[in-house]
Amino acid sequence: DAGVTQSPTHLIKTRGQQVTLRCSPKSGHDTVSWYQQALGQGPQFIFQYYEEEERQRGNFPDRFSGHQFPNYSSELNVNALLLGDSALYLCASYDRVGLNTEAFFGQGTRLTVV
Amino acid sequence: DQQVKQNSPSLSVQEGRISILNCDYTNSMFDYFLWYKKYPAEGPTFLISISSIKDKNEDGRFTVFLNKSAKHLSLHIVPSQPGDSAVYFCAATRWGNTPLVFGKGTRLSVIA
Repeated sequence: DAGVTQSPTHLIKTRGQQVTLRCSPKSGHDTVSWYQQALGQGPQFIFQYYEEEERQRGNFPDRFSGHQFPNYSSELNVNALLLGDSALYLCASYDRVGLNTEAFFGQGTRLTVV
Repeated sequence: DQQVKQNSPSLSVQEGRISILNCDYTNSMFDYFLWYKKYPAEGPTFLISISSIKDKNEDGRFTVFLNKSAKHLSLHIVPSQPGDSAVYFCAATRWGNTPLVFGKGTRLSVIA
């Protein structure tokens, strides 16, 4: 059973550019959350998707947007990249119906903005 | 405002001894707590959790203790093994479907 998979694993972008990160949830999971982990910090919640809609959002600007597809996979888009957006971006999935609070994480995408 | 705090950035323990990792929280609405372990170049892996209706949960070498009045939890690893060397994150949430709030992590080094 494949767990949560994210692509790409590493990415280098220039300030002002746009980036799209992708996530496939664990089999059987229908809810995807995205987290940003800056260096030396714990993961911070960006937003959560369920039934193709953003359900909850953390304290992140509108430059951060997302999407969920009918197969439950998800994308995170960041526009107008800033140096401070450099971080590890983690995707987590869980089974909302089962109210399973145990989120399963992917290995992350390391984004470097130069 | 940090709602979940792990005040020890690092901890070094000898193999076979007990490792104790601490975590404090400020939001009294949290009722479910989790510990995640993270190796370099990997995502966090769920380790153990505890509901606020309990004060202790055990899983093999790992035990989590919760002191609600002090808003404090701790993770005990006995005996510690070199493979336990990783960054440990404490996370808190409200049971159901709310986001996880993480601490900054504690880097555990188990020395053989």
